[in-house]
Amino acid sequence: NAGVTQTPKFRILKIGQSMTLQCTQDMNHNYMYWYRQDPGMGLKLIYYSVGAGITDKGEVPNGYNVSRSTTEDFPLRLELAAPSQTSVYFCASTPERTSNYGYTFGSGTRLTVV
Amino acid sequence: AQSVAQPEDQVNVAEGNPLTVKCTYSVSGNPYLFWYVQYPNRGLQFLLKYITGDNLVKGSYGFEAEFNKSQTSFHLKKPSALVSDSALYFCAGNDYKLSFGAGTTVTVRA
Repeated sequence: NAGVTQTPKFRILKIGQSMTLQCTQDMNHNYMYWYRQDPGMGLKLIYYSVGAGITDKGEVPNGYNVSRSTTEDFPLRLELAAPSQTSVYFCASTPERTSNYGYTFGSGTRLTVV
Repeated sequence: AQSVAQPEDQVNVAEGNPLTVKCTYSVSGNPYLFWYVQYPNRGLQFLLKYITGDNLVKGSYGFEAEFNKSQTSFHLKKPSALVSDSALYFCAGNDYKLSFGAGTTVTVRA
């Protein structure tokens, strides 16, 4: 199993550009999440999805959008990149909302906005 | 709502010595608590979890964690640290969505 796959691994954007961070999981997990990791700040939840067609905002959703057209894919869209979005982004999934499952994380996308 | 806190930014220990990484939680209801480890340029890896049952939880790579309800703590422990345990450790609580502590950098010196 590949688990959770994120692409690209690295990206440099100019201010105002847009891009999509891809996330795919092959475990048939219903729940998927996008986090950003900033130094000393832990991980902050951007958006999450409880199944295909259903998404909701997390702690820090401003400047981002998501979609969930299939169970496998949960892309994160940045429309107008800003320096404050420089971060490492992690996608995660879990089979169901009950709390006794650990999450499976992707290896991350390191984004720099200049 | 559930939140977790890691009071130490860094922990330094000598190889072979016991390792403890601290985590406290606040929760209304039953806590669901996790520990994850992150190696450089990698994603987070699940170490262990507490849901209910025994207060001492055993996990991967020889780690264990002790749930203490009276102290609202869930400290991660390893009896004998290895240099390869040097990494960033996160405590997390699951209140429908995982909430993470700020992380503790562990450095084990040879």
